[in-house]
Amino acid sequence: DTAVSQTPKYLVTQMGNDKSIKCEQNLGHDTMYWYKQDSKKFLKIMFSYNNKELIINETVPNRFSPKSPDKAHLNLHINSLELGDSAVYFCASSRLGEGEQFFGPGTRLTVL
Amino acid sequence: KQEVTQIPAALSVPEGENLVLNCSFTDSAIYNLQWFRQDPGKGLTSLLLIQSSQREQTSGRLNASLDKSSGRSTLYIAASQPGDSATYLCAVHPYNNNDMRFGAGTRLTVKP
Repeated sequence: DTAVSQTPKYLVTQMGNDKSIKCEQNLGHDTMYWYKQDSKKFLKIMFSYNNKELIINETVPNRFSPKSPDKAHLNLHINSLELGDSAVYFCASSRLGEGEQFFGPGTRLTVL
Repeated sequence: KQEVTQIPAALSVPEGENLVLNCSFTDSAIYNLQWFRQDPGKGLTSLLLIQSSQREQTSGRLNASLDKSSGRSTLYIAASQPGDSATYLCAVHPYNNNDMRFGAGTRLTVKP
């Protein structure tokens, strides 16, 4: 009965590789988000999607691309990984207009 | 640009004490404000959501207040327990967009 789930929980990879993180929510929410939490534990929004439309795109490199096959999924693709991409990535969802966000457990990405 | 500040950065109290965590934000044009709890190595758990038209919300031993005009919110924890030890994050949902802004958090330790 997990509300927001992410896979994998841990991801260790080499610089230059391409990787994806998957996110699914079973709450029937309209909007999904990706956040990055850096080594200082500061959370910053990266993307949000509403009904397959990109609403926000913070100043993230274009190596990062969100892909939403349907309303319940928002996957994060990262090309040409760099050392600075190492962080914990959180997926979240909310009902548009209501705003309360529910977070997934996070994916710890380590780039070597 | 909305900025969110949380004071103190860290707090240590003996079990049983009542305590207050503070959150301030620079732009009062908000849709709502949300308090989260994050345990080490875990995701975020939503604690309380206060809509911009509300002044407070309560859940069990937690009470959150909102003073939009002064750009402040407080999270009051009554009769603290060791299980309350975690990082508490305040997040502001600006009006008319989904760019949720987080504070850096307050790391709370409740000693038995």
